[in-house]
Amino acid sequence: KAGVTQTPRYLIKTRGQQVTLSCSPISGHRSVSWYQQTPGQGLQFLFEYFSETQRNKGNFPGRFSGRQFSNSRSEMNVSTLELGDSALYLCASSLGVDSPLHFGNGTRLTVT
Amino acid sequence: AQTVTQSQPEMSVQEAETVTLSCTYDTSESDYYLFWYKQPPSRQMILVIRQEAYKQQNATENRFSVNFQKAAKSFSLKISDSQLGDAAMYFCAYRSALNAGNMLTFGGGTRLMVKP
Repeated sequence: KAGVTQTPRYLIKTRGQQVTLSCSPISGHRSVSWYQQTPGQGLQFLFEYFSETQRNKGNFPGRFSGRQFSNSRSEMNVSTLELGDSALYLCASSLGVDSPLHFGNGTRLTVT
Repeated sequence: AQTVTQSQPEMSVQEAETVTLSCTYDTSESDYYLFWYKQPPSRQMILVIRQEAYKQQNATENRFSVNFQKAAKSFSLKISDSQLGDAAMYFCAYRSALNAGNMLTFGGGTRLMVKP
């Protein structure tokens, strides 16, 4: 069974631009969560989608948004990029609440 | 809001020996889940072990075991017979049982080095 796939693995953007990251969950998984990992702030929860609905949202500005499609694939979008948005963005999927989270290898975003 | 604290930024252990990583958390809830995740250089977070707060028995997975002290809000990870492949960042995480979702609160992490 294929694991969680995140694309692209690396991304370099300029301040002010916008970016879209993609996450394909494990087949059959309906929950997809996104986390931001930085050296300064550590791992922080961004949002979670379940059956195309946002179920939870972390404490991030509105520039960070996401969505989930009917096939459970998810995208997250960051608009008006700032230098501080440089981070590793991790996606995780699970069957449900009591099921373990399976993480992808992340997308490393660098904002210059 | 819940917080998770890992007071050891770095730890090292000799191969085949035992090491304990510390984690404390703060919550007003009585029902929750605690996790230890491992993040090797490949960046992929891997679940090591999980503990339900309502269970008094400490969770064990092969060479990995926890010491869960609910009253003290402490959740340490013991790795026995350490192997070179155990070298990684280890994160302690909390999830509320009241929240219908997978929102985790992570600690700052402990980098574990294993010496041959």
